[in-house]
Order: sequence, then structure tokens, then C-alpha cells
Amino acid sequence: QVYLKESGPGLVKPSGTLSLTCTVSDGSISSENWWSWVRQTPGKGLEWIGEIFYDSGGINYNPSLKGRVSISIDKSKSEFSLWLTSVTAADTAIYFCARVNRGAFDVWGQGTKVSVSS
Amino acid sequence: EIVLTQSPGTLSLSPGERATLSCRASQSVGSNYLAWYQQKKPGQAPRLLIYGTSSRAPGIPDRFSGSGSGTHFTLTISRLEPEDFAVYYCQQYGTSPWTFGQGTKVEIK
Repeated sequence: QVYLKESGPGLVKPSGTLSLTCTVSDGSISSENWWSWVRQTPGKGLEWIGEIFYDSGGINYNPSLKGRVSISIDKSKSEFSLWLTSVTAADTAIYFCARVNRGAFDVWGQGTKVSVSS
Repeated sequence: EIVLTQSPGTLSLSPGERATLSCRASQSVGSNYLAWYQQKKPGQAPRLLIYGTSSRAPGIPDRFSGSGSGTHFTLTISRLEPEDFAVYYCQQYGTSPWTFGQGTKVEIK
């Protein structure tokens, strides 16, 4: 059974860069799946951030993040990563990584809370 | 982007009762690519229940069923068990960006 776990700083300063990593267990990051990031805030609810194909052959981002987001994958480390630049308080959220299977998010990490504050 | 509107906001029911949750889309969901998730606690990872409008994810009990097409979708829980009281979200993956509804809370009456 595949497990995902997010890691990264829980506090980021305004205008800084949020950086998170999702570690995928059991080597399944090399299977033909998309891997995704989703965040949740009390105000906006669940928001899809973006996704990457296992071989980096495809990357899609939510246009609402206006070019601030970047996702990469490192199969040798069984992980994929998220960068979000120029963060503000509005980026304070719980960030989840997830596997995409048959289009839906079928496996989720436990989530990691990131606060943007000076 | 496709906006998903869920109703009602809160559903107060007793164990054993039937729950019917609605999800309406601002435009037709491509290929009826609509999923439902359950979130037990705020901040806890959602769990996939239904994908492709009506297909149950592995391990999901058959009391959960999904239906609909186009712009109107429904999640039905035939008989509520104590562990079913939670927040439910719909999500479309037919047209990028993928979007979620705001959730329906099913609470114990």
C-alpha cells in the first residue's frame, strides 16, 4: 500500500518561498500516475495547486496561483516537491500531496500546516 | 473555472437514516468526471469515496452511491452509520483547473 508524507517548514515569512516535499513509499512514484498538491484553508476550502506526471512529461498548475508555483519530481528519491513564491498570509493553509488515479485523488498525505507570518 | 455548489450546507440526520447530498456545477462536467470525498476532521486528509460519478473506490461500503450527469450530481448514503458523520466534498476533474465544492456537513441530529 502506498503512503505519502509531506515535509517542510511550518512557518514562512511574507514574500518568501514556501517549499514542501512529498515522500512516496514503496517506490510507486515510478508508476504511470500524476502526483498532485492540494491545499485547504478555512476561507477558500480545498484548492488544487498543480500536478506532475511521473516522468516529468507533463505539469499542470492552477492559473489562480499566477505563475508563483512550481512542481518537480525526483524518482531516485521517491519524492516530488512544491515551491510557491512571493507568499502572503493568504497562502497560510494545510498542504496535502496526493496521488491521482483514474483522475481522482485516491491516496493523500496526512497534510502539513504552513503559516505565513513575520 | 467550473464552480461547484453543494447543498445543503449542513444535513442533520440520525443513524440509520438516508442522506442525499447535492453538487451542482456552473457548467457541464466533462465526461462526468466527478468525485466525492469524506473528511472526518478539519485538517485531516480527505478520503476518496466515489470517482467517475458512480464508481466506488476500493474498500468503500456499498451504502455509498453516486449518480448524476452534466451539471447535477448526487451522493447518497443509504443508511447512516456512526462513522459516516463527517464533511463531504465533490470535485470535478473534467476541465482544468480541477475544483472542489465547499462541502456538506452531515451531523448527528
